[in-house]
Amino acid sequence: QKEVEQDPGPLSVPEGAIVSLNCTYSNSAFQYFMWYRQYSRKGPELLMYTYSSGNKEDGRFTAQVDKSSKYISLFIRDSQPSDSATYLCAMSYTNAGKSTFGDGTTLTVKP
Amino acid sequence: EAGVVQSPRYKIIEKKQPVAFWCNPISGHNTLYWYRQNLGQGPELLIRYENEEAVDDSQLPKDRFSAERLKGVDSTLKIQPAELGDSAVYLCASNSMGGPETEAFFGQGTRLTVV
Repeated sequence: QKEVEQDPGPLSVPEGAIVSLNCTYSNSAFQYFMWYRQYSRKGPELLMYTYSSGNKEDGRFTAQVDKSSKYISLFIRDSQPSDSATYLCAMSYTNAGKSTFGDGTTLTVKP
Repeated sequence: EAGVVQSPRYKIIEKKQPVAFWCNPISGHNTLYWYRQNLGQGPELLIRYENEEAVDDSQLPKDRFSAERLKGVDSTLKIQPAELGDSAVYLCASNSMGGPETEAFFGQGTRLTVV
C-alpha cells in the first residue's frame, strides 16, 4: 500500500463547476501538505501548501487538511478550461525534506 | 528571471547505452533535487544536494545511476547502462537552502525513452 493515495480520475467537468480533488495518507508524521499542478509535458508547479490541519484559500483555490482522518482536499471554484491539468498532492515530514507524491488526478474543464 | 533549465528535453537511446541529463538551477538556489516520474505516477526523489553535498541519495540506484554537482551550481545525472525500465521523465528542482522544500521550483524535465 502506498503512503499517499490519490483519487485517480480522470475527471471531466463543465466550465464554472466546483472541482474537488482528494488524497488520503497513512503516515501520521506528515506535517506539510502540498498541491501541484502539472500541465502536459511540463514540470509540476506549486499551487499551495498547508502546515498541519486547517484550510487555506488562494483565489479560486482552497486547500483543506484533516489530519484526524488523514485526508486532504483541493477545491477549485468557477473552474476554467485553463485549469485542465494533472493535479498532484504531496506531503512531507518537515519543510526541508523529501516529499512523497500521489499519482495525480487529471482534470479536464470543458468550455 | 529564468527558471530551472534542463537539457535535453527528449532523449531516445538503446538499452545498455549511457545517457546524461543536465540541470541548471535558479540562480542563488543552493538546494537541488533530481526526481524520476514514471508515466501516470507522481515524482519520486532520486537525490538531493545542498551545495555540492549529496544529503539524501537513498533512492538513487547506485549500481547504474550517478550524479554530480560540481561547484554547487549545475548538476548532471547519468545512467550507465540504461535499461528499458528507466524510461521516464527526469525532473530537476531547486530552492534556497534552508527554505522549505515545499517551495521548490521544477524544470520541464527530460523525457527518456529506452528502446
